Amino acid sequence: SQTIHQWPATLVQPVGSPLSLECTVEGTSNPNLYWYRQAAGRGLQLLFYSVGIGQISSEVPQNLSASRPQDRQFILSSKKLLLSDSGFYLCAWSLRPPRGGETQYFGPGTRLLVL
Amino acid sequence: QKEVEQDPGPLSVPEGAIVSLNCTYSNSAFQYFMWYRQYSRKGPELLMYTYSSGNKEDGRFTAQVDKSSKYISLFIRDSQPSDSATYLCAMVSGGSYIPTFGRGTSLIVHP
Repeated sequence: SQTIHQWPATLVQPVGSPLSLECTVEGTSNPNLYWYRQAAGRGLQLLFYSVGIGQISSEVPQNLSASRPQDRQFILSSKKLLLSDSGFYLCAWSLRPPRGGETQYFGPGTRLLVL
Repeated sequence: QKEVEQDPGPLSVPEGAIVSLNCTYSNSAFQYFMWYRQYSRKGPELLMYTYSSGNKEDGRFTAQVDKSSKYISLFIRDSQPSDSATYLCAMVSGGSYIPTFGRGTSLIVHP
């Protein structure tokens, strides 16, 4: 069965500090990978998605970036955090069409608080 | 108008009640419809997945899709306090892999 891991679970960072969140998937190969942010009381905001190693699509211009150094590894980074970067960050994976892709499976999330 | 509309609630019901959660949408290209359950401070968990119109049942949960009305529902029978969570609907067009999510409905089932 497939498993998705995210770490850390919780992070408190000062404004202006760097960020690195990691996500790994087990039990599948060539997945699509996604980063979402969920702010308190708001919906899911798609930040980045990747259909393969080194292939990153950005949905929202911001001070965040993403990388996919390995097939099942997805990293979310920032050089300088802003207060507005606080939120719940979720990694997700899906199969690639035509095998699937319609359904996404989410990780446990990382709660980020920028002070 | 947002592509997917979902009442944020909260919806508060007594234990044992039948719960109806709903989403409306405007994009007629949507073909796949999902319901996720999200407990507080956890990632969303896929509950139900349906393709096109019709009903799908899984235990106490029934998902219903009415494409002609652009309306989807999730019914929970014999609701339990453990069903207390936020329920998100999601939908995606055929050939796409980027779903559109509703903002979620908060459900509270009290003993």
